[in-house]
Amino acid sequence: DAGVTQSPTHLIKTRGQHVTLRCSPISGHKSVSWYQQVLGQGPQFIFQYYEKEERGRGNFPDRFSARQFPNYSSELNVNALLLGDSALYLCASSDGTSAQPQHFGDGTRLSIL
Amino acid sequence: RKEVEQDPGPFNVPEGATVAFNCTYSNSASQSFFWYRQDCRKEPKLLMSVYSSGNEDGRFTAQLNRASQYISLLIRDSKLSDSATYLCVVEGTYKYIFGTGTRLKVLA
Repeated sequence: DAGVTQSPTHLIKTRGQHVTLRCSPISGHKSVSWYQQVLGQGPQFIFQYYEKEERGRGNFPDRFSARQFPNYSSELNVNALLLGDSALYLCASSDGTSAQPQHFGDGTRLSIL
Repeated sequence: RKEVEQDPGPFNVPEGATVAFNCTYSNSASQSFFWYRQDCRKEPKLLMSVYSSGNEDGRFTAQLNRASQYISLLIRDSKLSDSATYLCVVEGTYKYIFGTGTRLKVLA
């Protein structure tokens, strides 16, 4: 069975541009979460979606937005990119119930020049 | 105070050694806890869930102490392949809260 898949793997953008990152969850999983990980830190929570509804939002500016589609795949959008947005963006899926572990994709490495 | 705190290490240990990591959390209402392993520039991978009664998976043992609000991970008979960053995770409301991770290097 396929795990969580993310695209693209790597991305280079310049300041002020916008970016869309994509994620397909494990088959049967209805919940998708997004995390940002900068070097030397643990992943920081950005959003969680369940059944196409936003269920949680972390402490990130409004430049960050996301959505979930009927097939449970998800997009993370970041507008007006800043140098500080350079990070590994991780998508995780789970069945959405408490205490069930999340499974992570390989991530998208975003570099802002 | 950070929600989840870990000693960043690094812990450098010889092969065959036993090593233990601790992690403290601030929210006493937290219910679910996990240890993830992350290799350099890779995604986190679930190592084990942490149950109230403690649990063991081969060379790995996880413990939860609710009274003191910490969880621990014990690795016995360390292998070179155990070298990685170990992330402590506490489940909040619809999100995971990660520690900064503890780096382990097992030396030949």
